[in-house]
Amino acid sequence: GAVVSQHPSRVICKSGTSVKIECRSLDFQATTMFWYRQFPKKSLMLMATSNEGSKATYEQGVEKDKFLINHASLTLSTLTVTSAHPEDSSFYICSAHGLAGVTDTQYFGPGTRLTVL
Amino acid sequence: GQQVMQIPQYQHVQEGEDFTTYCNSSTTLSNIQWYKQRPGGHPVFLIQLVKSGEVKKQKRLTFQFGEAKKNSSLHITATQTTDVGTYFCAGRKGNTDKLIFGTGTRLQVFP
Repeated sequence: GAVVSQHPSRVICKSGTSVKIECRSLDFQATTMFWYRQFPKKSLMLMATSNEGSKATYEQGVEKDKFLINHASLTLSTLTVTSAHPEDSSFYICSAHGLAGVTDTQYFGPGTRLTVL
Repeated sequence: GQQVMQIPQYQHVQEGEDFTTYCNSSTTLSNIQWYKQRPGGHPVFLIQLVKSGEVKKQKRLTFQFGEAKKNSSLHITATQTTDVGTYFCAGRKGNTDKLIFGTGTRLQVFP
């Protein structure tokens, strides 16, 4: 099946720093990628929809200036958590939706666990 | 807020017992997907249901989409310890690609 990678898998940073998370579709082109966050023992909450070549669409309550999304190519989307605070500590997961010819589903990356001290 | 609810939130079963999780949406869905997430892992796609009343089977797993396309269920027959994890339904509305995840049901299977 389709493969989506995320990097880094785990990051620990100090409060106030920015962290960039990469999401790559390895064997297919993804016009749309999605970013989720998941708190322990909770469900996945959609943060934003990332469209190649255009601005991301953010869900209600998600600060676009804090969570910067860039989808510069059909295989790469990045999420930058700016000026991270301890409450931003979470599991961030991306998913990619394939172009025609790929099963209509979302393929999830392995996730990035962010801990802000 | 969360518009797709799942019950139960958590269930313990003895190995060999059956298990069912129910998924309910406040609005009609164009399709519904089911995912399994192992502890520490990421969601893995299981199946997609599109048609009203659709039933699909994967070995010991049976998935059903309600007639009104607002609810769905996943039934596991004769659970095994490898079934442990959290099961999420995720629904799509209209033509959007966005998935709204359910609250999840965490399954624990005791040998």
